[in-house]
Amino acid sequence: DADVTQTPRNRITKTGKRIMLECSQTKGHDRMYWYRQDPGLGLRLIYYSFDVKDINKGEISDGYSVSRQAQAKFSLSLESAIPNQTALYFCATETTGWGQETQYFGPGTRLLVL
Amino acid sequence: AQTVTQSQPEMSVQEAETVTLSCTYDTSESNYYLFWYKQPPSRQMILVIRQEAYKQQNATENRFSVNFQKAAKSFSLKISDSQLGDTAMYFCAFQLNFGNEKLTFGTGTRLTIIP
Repeated sequence: DADVTQTPRNRITKTGKRIMLECSQTKGHDRMYWYRQDPGLGLRLIYYSFDVKDINKGEISDGYSVSRQAQAKFSLSLESAIPNQTALYFCATETTGWGQETQYFGPGTRLLVL
Repeated sequence: AQTVTQSQPEMSVQEAETVTLSCTYDTSESNYYLFWYKQPPSRQMILVIRQEAYKQQNATENRFSVNFQKAAKSFSLKISDSQLGDTAMYFCAFQLNFGNEKLTFGTGTRLTIIP
């Protein structure tokens, strides 16, 4: 399984603040993802990256930005946090190869915006 | 667009019994993957089992197995000899096999194993 780590694990911030959530992986996967989980809504895709130079918006990218600093690092930023961005955020990496695509998730970051 | 439906928001079962979680999906494509993920109270998302649509044989991982009915677009998860550690949210997920497609998740089923 991919070794995916996320920092911080929990974060409380105030409306209007800029914050960054970080994700690192040690398995050399090119593909990385950021998801958001809200109660009753499952996981929704925010951004994804297939390599350092390939970054794509997901279904709910408004209010977020990302940076792929290296193959192993994929950061999610909230430029000006708002209360409805309170959620559980997951980073994931994906194995590739025909018929082998599988996503593995980090432990999540719980974000509370006051 | 693909959709995934989990019609059982909550389920509970006695320890050691067998339980089946339902999942249906909607797609016009024929090549895709299906997954079940487990999210225990620790909130980690853990891959339970994976099925490739082109394979007729149902996937099995120890006590976990699936019933994949492609024509009916159904992908249920069976947990045999349930254990207290199986208590978790279970999410069904779908991914097209085009090499660059995202996961689409259902809304989850909260499973409680009763001692």
